[in-house]
Amino acid sequence: KAGVTQTPRYLIKTRGQQVTLSCSPISGHRSVSWYQQTPGQGLQFLFEYFSETQRNKGNFPGRFSGRQFSNSRSEMNVSTLELGDSALYLCASSLPGAAANVLTFGAGSRLTVL
Amino acid sequence: GENVEQHPSTLSVQEGDSAVIKCTYSDSASNYFPWYKQELGKRPQLIIDIRSNVGEKKDQRIAVTLNKTAKHFSLHITETQPEDSAVYFCAATSNTDKLIFGTGTRLQVFP
Repeated sequence: KAGVTQTPRYLIKTRGQQVTLSCSPISGHRSVSWYQQTPGQGLQFLFEYFSETQRNKGNFPGRFSGRQFSNSRSEMNVSTLELGDSALYLCASSLPGAAANVLTFGAGSRLTVL
Repeated sequence: GENVEQHPSTLSVQEGDSAVIKCTYSDSASNYFPWYKQELGKRPQLIIDIRSNVGEKKDQRIAVTLNKTAKHFSLHITETQPEDSAVYFCAATSNTDKLIFGTGTRLQVFP
């Protein structure tokens, strides 16, 4: 059974550009959550999607957005990149119902903004 | 607001000793408390979790305890081994049912 797949694994952008990251959940998992990981800040919640609907949102500016498709794959987009957006972006999927918070993480997309 | 505090931020122990990491949470409605281990360059992986209707849970050398009154929970690792070296994250569900993570504890086990 394939795990959570994130693409691209690494990318370098310059300030002002925009970026789109992709996440394919484990087959059968319908919930996808996104987290930003930076040194010293731990994992900060960005948003959660379930059945193509955003169910939860963290405290990030509107430059951060996401969506989920009918096959449960999810994308997140960051527009007008800033240096502080450099981070590891982790996606996690989970089953619905009682196991909704039992997260399986992908390997992450490491974004460097120059 | 929703907050999970985790201490210590770094922890060094001798192989064979025990390690304890503590977390406190702010939302009394929190009902699920997982612990994740992240080895260097790898993804976080769930190692143990506990729900609010249980006070303690063990899985071989690791255990988690929960004190709902004090709103804190702890991870205990006994007989530590070098392969236990990693960053450990605690988390708690918020009132909107999302997982809020602590800032992590870097555990180093010296042989």
